[in-house]
Amino acid sequence: GESVGLHLPTLSVQEGDNSIINCAYSNSASDYFIWYKQESGKGPQFIIDIRSNMDKRQGQRVTVLLNKTVKHLSLQIAATQPGDSAVYFCAEIPNRDDKIIFGKGTRLHILP
Amino acid sequence: EPEVTQTPSHQVTQMGQEVILRCVPISNHLYFYWYRQILGQKVEFLVSFYNNEISEKSEIFDDQFSVERPDGSNFTLKIRSTKLEDSAMYFCASSEATVYGYTFGSGTRLTVV
Repeated sequence: GESVGLHLPTLSVQEGDNSIINCAYSNSASDYFIWYKQESGKGPQFIIDIRSNMDKRQGQRVTVLLNKTVKHLSLQIAATQPGDSAVYFCAEIPNRDDKIIFGKGTRLHILP
Repeated sequence: EPEVTQTPSHQVTQMGQEVILRCVPISNHLYFYWYRQILGQKVEFLVSFYNNEISEKSEIFDDQFSVERPDGSNFTLKIRSTKLEDSAMYFCASSEATVYGYTFGSGTRLTVV
């Protein structure tokens, strides 16, 4: 069935280091993927997206990698800052669908 | 930057009561959604709405739930007879073209006591 899951529920990273958040998905029909950031008391905030015809996409300090062979998605955050503390969700959108299927979330904790 | 606005931010209601959660989507958006997030869990799709009708709903969205766009600006979620397990954050979202340009509101925390 459709499912998006995350390998680690909590990730602690030293300020200034790079963060890598991983995600596995199981629906091979998904052709669009999004990473969201959710800060306490707020709604999910779009970070970066990638379509299934790509394997890498870069934004400002963030990079998303997609490996369709093993159905794996990752979010890399360069030079992690205190403001990056949040829960990060990967999400997938099945082909020709308009609903977003969220994974369980990884809490990113920044160490001083 | 345009925002999706949700009111109230927190609602406490007694079990069995009706609640209406309100949302003002971004003005030029055509697709509207409700999601919910039980504390500590993932965000789950409830319903999508386009052209004044429901386009898709999840199994969570049973007969106790309804949505409405009563005027040109508001989008509401009604729960007719709330249950304890309806306690969650409810997020409204809107988009201009299905999942592209999707924007979430800050949510309404519903507590059923």
